[in-house]
Amino acid sequence: QSVLTQPPSASGTPGQRVTISCSGSSSNIGSNIVNWYQHLPGTAPKLLIYGTNQRPSGVPDRFSGSKSGTSASLAISGLQSEDEADYYCAAWHDSLKGYVFGTGTKVTVL
Amino acid sequence: QLQLQESGPGLVKPSETLSLTCTVSGGSISSSSYYWGWIRQPPGKGLEWIGSIYYSGSTYYNPSLKSRVTIFVDTSKNQFSLKLSSVTAADTAVYYCGRQRYDYHSGGYYYLSGVDYWGQGTLVPVSS
Repeated sequence: QSVLTQPPSASGTPGQRVTISCSGSSSNIGSNIVNWYQHLPGTAPKLLIYGTNQRPSGVPDRFSGSKSGTSASLAISGLQSEDEADYYCAAWHDSLKGYVFGTGTKVTVL
Repeated sequence: QLQLQESGPGLVKPSETLSLTCTVSGGSISSSSYYWGWIRQPPGKGLEWIGSIYYSGSTYYNPSLKSRVTIFVDTSKNQFSLKLSSVTAADTAVYYCGRQRYDYHSGGYYYLSGVDYWGQGTLVPVSS
């Protein structure tokens, strides 16, 4: 089981702001940067946020990441239908010396 | 544009070894600052990092899979490969390969970070 915990689902109407949480520990989120991935069914995951709050080229600024202590968050503002996907947080885990993914959150646009 | 492509048998029998290869094109696997990794997603479940390798052969493995996993690199072919031994139905998954950034932490250690390029993924069923 994952050491990074996310809510299984989140939803909103078009234009709304949706926030996804990712809860970890001092061994992962608390001491390392966080990445976020968007995963649409049948496609490869896409790196959405790196370095906790940086967006790769081409990712809309509607997506933003933050971190406080041992928890991180992904915010989607101005929700759009194409944002309907699974979202995963991930981080380096110091004591495991490995990369861990969160449990994943399915975002539904109502 | 960097591209990655997984290849390997479409079906593996229980107790046998799963073998996959990832071919990198549009760039060199010998790039500094990047590891090359394997990630999987069992049907209906989340993503799981399996392990990653540097072009020099240095590896990191998921502790929960470490006893069964070997990842190796062939720089002459710009490829890296995964072997997972003693598979069971629980190893049925879509397997992805990817390029993973390798950074230095101010706390004095190196760590793996975001996977910025991914292969399309390949479904590997484990069944007799």
